Amino acid sequence: DADVTQTPRNRITKTGKRIMLECSQTKGHDRMYWYRQDPGLGLQLIYYSFDVKDINKGEISDGYSVSRQAQAKFSLSLESAIPNQTALYFCATGSSGRDTQYFGPGTRLTVL
Amino acid sequence: QKEVEQDPGPLSVPEGAIVSLNCTYSNSAFQYFMWYRQYSRKGPELLMYTYSSGNKEDGRFTAQVDKSSKYISLFIRDSQPSDSATYLCAMSGYGGETSGSRLTFGEGTQLTVNP
Repeated sequence: DADVTQTPRNRITKTGKRIMLECSQTKGHDRMYWYRQDPGLGLQLIYYSFDVKDINKGEISDGYSVSRQAQAKFSLSLESAIPNQTALYFCATGSSGRDTQYFGPGTRLTVL
Repeated sequence: QKEVEQDPGPLSVPEGAIVSLNCTYSNSAFQYFMWYRQYSRKGPELLMYTYSSGNKEDGRFTAQVDKSSKYISLFIRDSQPSDSATYLCAMSGYGGETSGSRLTFGEGTQLTVNP
């Protein structure tokens, strides 16, 4: 079984819709991250959480929100999706005291 | 200017070739360096992790860091078609401390190894 899972794996939606991407992990890590990946831009950090009560904005948080429901679950929401949010979205986990991160399989989101 | 520069390629080599992948960076605070491999339609997976300057070898892979030149490399010996993937460099200045456990990634280099 995968250590970091993401649902859905693919999603097509329309401009203005609210979308939630979910991430869960069985690695026992306390830190969780959301990234988006675009051609030519690489991985950009959206939000990160060091524990359930600690949420931090990353480089590109505008238009996104997150919820850390439990140590193992971290969800990303697009309140009102727009076409330039079309991208690959990755969840990652890590442990305190270490900067290595472990990625989920990704969600391909298309906003029409 | 980006903090981390990586040539996106694409890079195409014959099977058995030695591959050299490189990143340059501008932030002298970076001390921890990683290479991730990303297969098509998959998430990045950690390949190599090094601290400060020097070399680290793992099988056919060697990671090299030159902090004086702000330059890191990944060498792949005896490359195989299964090595075809995108390789991303990543780096951090904080080693996991609460104040800065964030990675800065390069754009990634797309590698194809032809049989």
